[in-house]
This record gives sequence, structure tokens and C-alpha cells, in this order.
Amino acid sequence: EAQVTQNPRYLITVTGKKLTVTCSQNMNHEYMSWYRQDPGLGLRQIYYSMNVEVTDKGDVPEGYKVSRKEKRNFPLILESPSPNQTSLYFCASSLGKGSGSNYGYTFGSGTRLTVV
Amino acid sequence: AQSVTQLDSQVPVFEEAPVELRCNYSSSVSVYLFWYVQYPNQGLQLLLKYLSGSTLVKGINGFEAEFNKSQTSFHLRKPSVHISDTAEYFCAVTRGGTSYGKLTFGQGTILTVHP
Repeated sequence: EAQVTQNPRYLITVTGKKLTVTCSQNMNHEYMSWYRQDPGLGLRQIYYSMNVEVTDKGDVPEGYKVSRKEKRNFPLILESPSPNQTSLYFCASSLGKGSGSNYGYTFGSGTRLTVV
Repeated sequence: AQSVTQLDSQVPVFEEAPVELRCNYSSSVSVYLFWYVQYPNQGLQLLLKYLSGSTLVKGINGFEAEFNKSQTSFHLRKPSVHISDTAEYFCAVTRGGTSYGKLTFGQGTILTVHP
């Protein structure tokens, strides 16, 4: 089944303890992206990647890191989490602008992160 | 820079009534537009998209949207809603070319369908 898989689904951590949220897609998609969702603010893009080793900042990149060493994986790293990073996080992938593409993004099921 | 404004944060409607969820965007170049739906405790699902061509776009679950370039709008409509349409709806915009990866969402509209 074509899908984007995020892990973990739920995570409670303490301020300052480094964590990684994993994201993997099995559709050979070029584009991958991370979003955070907060009530009343919709989804805000953190980082996106156009291909292996090619990433760029979204609208709210502060406090986050990403890497794209393989096409299928796009982990989100919080080096020193703070309470204001408590949020619902989504990973998404897209084939992009290639012919035959549906041009939309496929989203994972989300990771609910709480930083205390 | 691109941005999206969803004009209504909440839309209550009765079952079988028509509904319109409004979306306006701003961009200085040509755009691609999307509507996504999020059911409670789930991820986002693509409803429909406008890439080019016909300005009236049909999507899944009986939804459609009309792209209006002069008014920079992409409103979502359904002629008769069902209880199962209760969800949060997001409008999103991106540009083509090397900027495709930067997808900007609106704040969301919660559609509540009452029996």
C-alpha cells in the first residue's frame, strides 16, 4: 500500500532532550515536507526537500533540523525541544511536477508531540 | 511570497443544504491550488486540485471548486452535504517550477453538518 509512515504517533518528552521523528514513504516521491498544525493557525511548513541532499526552509524552521540522505526517508530532528514546540506534526510526500503526477501531497497520520 | 486566507473559521450547515467554503490567495505568479480535508484524528486527504485548464474542478465526495484568477479565489462548494462531511477543510497554494515544494496552507475551516 502506498503510504507515508511517521513514527512515533505520540511522544511526550522533557525540555532539552533531543528527539527525532521519522518519516518514510514507499512511493519513490521526490518531494517531502514537514508541517506543524496548531489550532487556529492551520498547517505551517517547517522544512521541505526537493530530492536527496536538497532541502529548504519553510515558514517556521527555527528549532528544527532535517536531513534527506535517502529518497524514502526525511527525519525531523529537534535538538533541544521547548514547550512551544508542542504540536501535531505531519510529514508529506509528492511526486512533484513529473508527467502523470497527481501533483498533490500524500500525508502521514501525524505525530502528536508534547514537550514538558 | 504567497499566502492563503480562508474567510470562515467555522461553517455550520444542515444536512442536505448547499455549502461554500471560501478561500482567497495571493501570489505574484501562476499558482497551483488545492483543497484538503481532515477528518477527526486523521491526516489530510486531497479533495481536489487546480493546475491549469478548466476553472471548474471536480473532486471526490461530490465537492467542486472554481478558480477565479481576477478575484484570486478558489472557493469550495457542495450542492448537498451529508453528516459525514463534518471535518476541517484546508485550502493550499504552491507555485510551479523550483518553488513547487513550498506549499502554503490556510488556517482551516471547520464544517459542521447538523441533522
